[in-house]
Amino acid sequence: GDSVTQMEGPVTLSEEAFLTINCTYTATGYPSLFWYVQYPGEGLQLLLKATKADDKGSNKGFEATYRKETTSFHLEKGSVQVSDSAVYFCALSDIGSARQLTFGSGTQLTVLP
Amino acid sequence: DTGVSQDPRHKITKRGQNVTFRCDPISEHNRLYWYRQTLGQGPEFLTYFQNEAQLEKSRLLSDRFSAERPKGSFSTLEIQRTEQGDSAMYLCASSRRDTGASEQYFGPGTRLTVT
Repeated sequence: GDSVTQMEGPVTLSEEAFLTINCTYTATGYPSLFWYVQYPGEGLQLLLKATKADDKGSNKGFEATYRKETTSFHLEKGSVQVSDSAVYFCALSDIGSARQLTFGSGTQLTVLP
Repeated sequence: DTGVSQDPRHKITKRGQNVTFRCDPISEHNRLYWYRQTLGQGPEFLTYFQNEAQLEKSRLLSDRFSAERPKGSFSTLEIQRTEQGDSAMYLCASSRRDTGASEQYFGPGTRLTVT
């Protein structure tokens, strides 16, 4: 079945550092890929998405590129801020009728001033 | 435009009791999902409704769990004879059928603690 493997955390960075959170997936079809973010005390929010190979999703300075050849969707940001501290989840939605999301286990990011 | 709402936000119950959670999706969304999230893990799919029809259920949804979506609006998730292993955050999400990438919007969740 479908699965998502994420870089294990926690990740601690200094403000303005470069961020990469690795995500790889296994799927039977051609899934859509997502990054969700969960800030402390809040619900899951969609951060960015990509629906086909070589698409780049971007939002709030974060980017991720759908790489079919390596089945990856790594999250990157050039300069993190303290306010980016949160848990980040990689997820996929396969082509079945329900299109339910399959999530990775999450990566806790802490950015220090 | 209000988001997805869930009620209650927290529920503490004793083992063996029944509990019911409610989810109100975004009004124009006809797809509704329930997920369960345990500490340190990502959410896991439980069940899916399109309008009032429950079209898919995960193997995680044992026969103690039942979900409904009467009239295709709000949904309820009931757990009968709760067990300590049911302690988790229960998340509801909704989406529009015509959104090809199945962009789902999540509620704040109901945190269940079974003592």
